[in-house]
Amino acid sequence: ETGVTQTPRHLVMGMTNKKSLKCEQHLGHNAMYWYKQSAKKPLELMFVYSLEERVENNSVPSRFSPECPNSSHLFLHLHTLQPEDSALYLCASSQAGLVIFGPGTRLTVL
Amino acid sequence: AQRVTQPEKLLSVFKGAPVELKCNYSYSGSPELFWYVQYSRQRLQLLLRHISRESIKGFTADLNKGETSFHLKKPFAQEEDSAMYYCALRSYNTDKLIFGTGTRLQVFP
Repeated sequence: ETGVTQTPRHLVMGMTNKKSLKCEQHLGHNAMYWYKQSAKKPLELMFVYSLEERVENNSVPSRFSPECPNSSHLFLHLHTLQPEDSALYLCASSQAGLVIFGPGTRLTVL
Repeated sequence: AQRVTQPEKLLSVFKGAPVELKCNYSYSGSPELFWYVQYSRQRLQLLLRHISRESIKGFTADLNKGETSFHLKKPFAQEEDSAMYYCALRSYNTDKLIFGTGTRLQVFP
């Protein structure tokens, strides 16, 4: 699959679990993002990485921990989440203002 | 503050009717505006951007700096246009996209 890929596509976890979401892009883009899409809220920007350096953290709780080991990969590590964290988590990458989104990971926290 | 407002949560029209999805923005500099679309069970994708000045799938959007608007228009709606539409603003010196709350367009046969 070309563009931006995300794994897993669906994830169910308990509040005490630790899991990670993975995002990969082979578009040569130099910026990557995590967004949260909930049923009743607009798309919320969580983190921005530019050239592997985190340039923005939008007051996201510490139970979400991003990692960008290189320009093609982005992770979101999850630890002791709450049921209200259940949402669709979208990864995106961009270059020169053009943003490409991944298909998202549907996360359910029990 | 930078903000994007889409006042309509839902817009329902019949096939062949004109469509206008409203978007207003608040930004102190020169913004770049986009429309993104999300069809059922598909990923969010770019529909058009104001700097391209192009028509995609029959949709157009003109940036009106005086009214701070970027409304999306189509003269004759089709059933396949049914989707969620998001207006977004990009700060010129960052790659951050600020999204509106989205408008669901339903086109009935």
